[in-house]
Amino acid sequence: AQSVTQPDIHITVSEGASLELRCNYSYGATPYLFWYVQSPGQGLQLLLKYFSGDTLVQGIKGFEAEFKRSQSSFNLRKPSVHWSDAAEYFCAVNSGYSTLTFGKGTMLLVSP
Amino acid sequence: NAGVMQNPRHLVRRRGQEARLRCSPMKGHSHVYWYRQLPEEGLKFMVYLQKENIIDESGMPKERFSAEFPKEGPSILRIQQVVRGDSAAYFCASSSGGDDQPQHFGDGTRLSIL
Repeated sequence: AQSVTQPDIHITVSEGASLELRCNYSYGATPYLFWYVQSPGQGLQLLLKYFSGDTLVQGIKGFEAEFKRSQSSFNLRKPSVHWSDAAEYFCAVNSGYSTLTFGKGTMLLVSP
Repeated sequence: NAGVMQNPRHLVRRRGQEARLRCSPMKGHSHVYWYRQLPEEGLKFMVYLQKENIIDESGMPKERFSAEFPKEGPSILRIQQVVRGDSAAYFCASSSGGDDQPQHFGDGTRLSIL
């Protein structure tokens, strides 16, 4: 069965600093990969998705993610974090059964 | 608002009562998914429906839980005889179908069991 691991439960980053959130997946073939963001009391908003082609994908709000097949990873990055980026981030995989398997999430805290 | 609409946003029930959660998909979407989020956990898939059909219910508890998506009206997630362990946030997502189509989420229903 497919699985998603987000090894960092919490990350604190200074405003203006760069950010990288880690995501590893377990799946035999090339999966469809997603990053979502959730603000407190809200639903999930899609940041970006990878299906095929260029392994570096651009998303909304200045986020990007890189698919590395050899490492089974799909890490999320942002060059300069803003205070409004504080939220919980979820990596998810759609392995072809039209349902999403989520990681447990990484809570991003932004310090002034 | 053309997004996924869930209601109610908050629902309080006593043990043994029934809970009904509603989801109207995004306009043009005919595929609906229900997920449950427990504290400090990611979202767990429960059920996938298309109009009038249950496609995959492998994540649904075998008892007390049911879901439907009728030809007319919203999708309903129904929990009978609720217990404390049912307290969670329940999210609905919709898509136009296909594994390469992203799912769009509603703001969820927070269910609290007294």
